[in-house]
Amino acid sequence: GENVEQHPSTLSVQEGDSAVIKCTYSDSASNYFPWYKQELGKRPQLIIDIRSNVGEKKDQRIAVTLNKTAKHFSLHITETQPEDSAVYFCAANSGGSYIPTFGRGTSLIVHP
Amino acid sequence: DAGVIQSPRHEVTEMGQEVTLRCKPISGHNSLFWYRQTMMRGLELLIYFNNNVPIDDSGMPEDRFSAKMPNASFSTLKIQPSEPRDSAVYFCASSGGATNEKLFFGSGTQLSVL
Repeated sequence: GENVEQHPSTLSVQEGDSAVIKCTYSDSASNYFPWYKQELGKRPQLIIDIRSNVGEKKDQRIAVTLNKTAKHFSLHITETQPEDSAVYFCAANSGGSYIPTFGRGTSLIVHP
Repeated sequence: DAGVIQSPRHEVTEMGQEVTLRCKPISGHNSLFWYRQTMMRGLELLIYFNNNVPIDDSGMPEDRFSAKMPNASFSTLKIQPSEPRDSAVYFCASSGGATNEKLFFGSGTQLSVL
């Protein structure tokens, strides 16, 4: 089955800096890569996703890149703000499957 | 739509007791997931239903755990008997319709087994 590795487990940045979270996957048939944000005590919520036929997707201050050859994808947050502090999860869906495999999560701390 | 609705929000019980967690998915979604979240193991998939049928229950820890989905608008996760190591946050999520693979999570149930 699919295996998703996520790094780093903790990321601490100053407000205004950029943050990058990286994930690798094992199943070359995976074709859907969502990112979820979970604020303290809240539910995970989808913030951005990308499909395997696209190399990059951007939504305001967040962007996701995908390298199918290397089987890795990354989340980029620019101009970080304290409200970006949360745990971020990457995930991968194998082709034809509706079951995402989640990474272990990255705790992002943005210091004012 | 009110989103995925879970109950109760918090459950405190004693070891050996039966615990039942409930979930109402988003109307029109045909996939339902139960996850368990702990610091040690992250988000673990317990079971996945599609069109009310259990498709993948390989994540269910042991026979003490059972899940049902009697209709498209209701699912339960039952633990009997409960043990302290079952303490975790249990999330229900649904997906389907026009949003396909995107998961919508409920607020979760914080379970504490004493």
